[in-house]
Amino acid sequence: EAGVAQSPRYKIIEKRQSVAFWCNPISGHATLYWYQQILGQGPKLLIQFQNNGVVDDSQLPKDRFSAERLKGVDSTLKIQPAKLEDSAVYLCASRSPGFSYEQYFGPGTRLTVT
Amino acid sequence: DQQVKQNSPSLSVQEGRISILNCDYTNSMFDYFLWYKKYPAEGPTFLISISSIKDKNEDGRFTVFLNKSAKHLSLHIVPSQPGDSAVYFCAASANTGNQFYFGTGTSLTVIP
Repeated sequence: EAGVAQSPRYKIIEKRQSVAFWCNPISGHATLYWYQQILGQGPKLLIQFQNNGVVDDSQLPKDRFSAERLKGVDSTLKIQPAKLEDSAVYLCASRSPGFSYEQYFGPGTRLTVT
Repeated sequence: DQQVKQNSPSLSVQEGRISILNCDYTNSMFDYFLWYKKYPAEGPTFLISISSIKDKNEDGRFTVFLNKSAKHLSLHIVPSQPGDSAVYFCAASANTGNQFYFGTGTSLTVIP
């Protein structure tokens, strides 16, 4: 079974620029999550999708962050414009249907904003 | 507001000995807990979980203990191996299991 794929793995941009991250979850996983992990902290949920609908985006800074999951499979997370404090690893995770709460994480995208 | 806390940023243990990683939480509604292991440049991988209806769950060398009255859980690794060297995160969820709150992680080093 292929794991969660993310790209790019690394990105360096200047503040006020835009950036987009892509995630392909494990096949059949209806639930998809985007997390932000700042250095020295645990992952923080930004947004959760169930198929192509948003379940929870309460911690997504909607003035600059947006996310979509077209057709309930791949997802993109965009930041526009980026700020210095957005420097972090952005993790995508997916979860299979059913009782298990286990989330499968991708390798993450390390974003550096200069 | 950090609802899940891992107060020890790092831990060093000799190979073969027991590693004990601790996690505290503040939200009494949390009813499901997970431990993840993370190697550098990789995403976290699931290790073991426990529901609030249990106080212990064991999987091979890994055992998680839950003390609901103290709002405390711990992960025991016995015996510790050098390959266990990684950052360990605990995570907790209430009711639906949808949003998990993560701790800040504990970096475990197992010394050969």
